Parts: sequence; structure tokens; C-alpha cells
Amino acid sequence: AQSVTQLGSHVSVSEGALVLLRCNYSSSVPPYLFWYVQYPNQGLQLLLKYTTGATLVKGINGFEAEFKKSETSFHLTKPSAHMSDAAEYFCAVTFTGTASKLTFGTGTRLQVTL
Amino acid sequence: ETGVTQSPTHLIKTRGQQVTLRCSSQSGHNTVSWYQQALGQGPQFIFQYYREEENGRGNFPPRFSGLQFPNYSSELNVNALELDDSALYLCASSRVPEGRGEQYFGPGTRLTVT
Repeated sequence: AQSVTQLGSHVSVSEGALVLLRCNYSSSVPPYLFWYVQYPNQGLQLLLKYTTGATLVKGINGFEAEFKKSETSFHLTKPSAHMSDAAEYFCAVTFTGTASKLTFGTGTRLQVTL
Repeated sequence: ETGVTQSPTHLIKTRGQQVTLRCSSQSGHNTVSWYQQALGQGPQFIFQYYREEENGRGNFPPRFSGLQFPNYSSELNVNALELDDSALYLCASSRVPEGRGEQYFGPGTRLTVT
């Protein structure tokens, strides 16, 4: 069975500081991995995805993530936080192949302070 | 390109009642998935529809049912509502098989059961 663990339900950074949100997955087959962002009272917006190929993937709003198979990790980073980055971030995994169900982590709330 | 839309945005129902939520897929997408997101939690997979047939189901009772129409729009029906059904219900569309698991979410319907 596939699962996702997000370490840290709340992360607080200063504006301009590095953002690091952690995600570890468990999957018995090669995974497809995703990061989604959710702003208050809104749906989920896709930030970036890893399917195959290059293990460092770049997404929208300056975010990137690196797939590390040996560590079963897919951590999300951004070099310099902006106030507008404050939101809930979800890591999700699905199997390769068809558009099967997404399994989500419990989310990490990012707070950006001045 | 039209994104995923959902209606209504908010809904208040009484325990024991029935509810129908609606979703229109993104243009060009042929698969619809439904998720339940309880307050402070990650989304949980309810079921997926492909070619008007249920194509996978999560750990939800049969009183949760759905439909997909020839234009790929979808409905989620919940019978005998319980207080724990209060949540944000998210619809996501995707394109099988080309989509590689990537799902695009609508803004959600906030259901409150009293």
C-alpha cells in the first residue's frame, strides 16, 4: 500500500528565508509524486510533479523538489520565502500508469513572518 | 481552457437528509475523482469515474455514490447524512492514459451537516 508522511504540521519561516517542507513516501511500485498548495477556502493547486526522468523538478512560484529514491523522499524547497507563500501544502503519491487515486499527506501549514 | 468547476460552493443539510454535489471536468479530461477533506486533514479518496463507470473506490460506505455523464461531468450523492460527513468535497479531473496521474482540482463544495 502507498502512503505519504509529511514531517511538521506547521513550519514558520521569515520572509526571504529558505523554505523546506518534508515529504517521505512508501510505495511498492515506482511512484508519481506531487506537491499541491491550498489557500484558505480554496481547492488544491498543483505546484509541481515528478513522474519519470529528471529527479529535480521545478514548479510554479519558484518552488522545486527533488526525488530521492534511496531516501524515499520528495522534499519541497524555495530559496526565498514570500508572504504570499503562506498556505497549506500537501504532498501526494500515486502509482505509475493510469490516473489512479492520489494518496495525500496530512499537510504542512507554512507561515511566513516579517 | 476551462478549469474544473463545482456547485454549489456551500451547502447546509440536516442529519439523515440526502445531498447531490456537481462537478464539471476540465476541457479534454475524461476521468473524474472525488475526495473528502475534513477540517485540518488531507483529502481522502472517495471514488473515481472513467468512461461512466466506477474505476476505484476508497474506504467509504455505499451511501456515497456517484455518476459520470457522457460529457464527463459528474455527481456525488450522499444518502443518510451524518454529522461526520461535514467536510470540503473536492472534485478532480484528469486525462487517462496520457495524464500520468496528474489531477486538477475544483474549488470544492463545503458541506455542513447539522
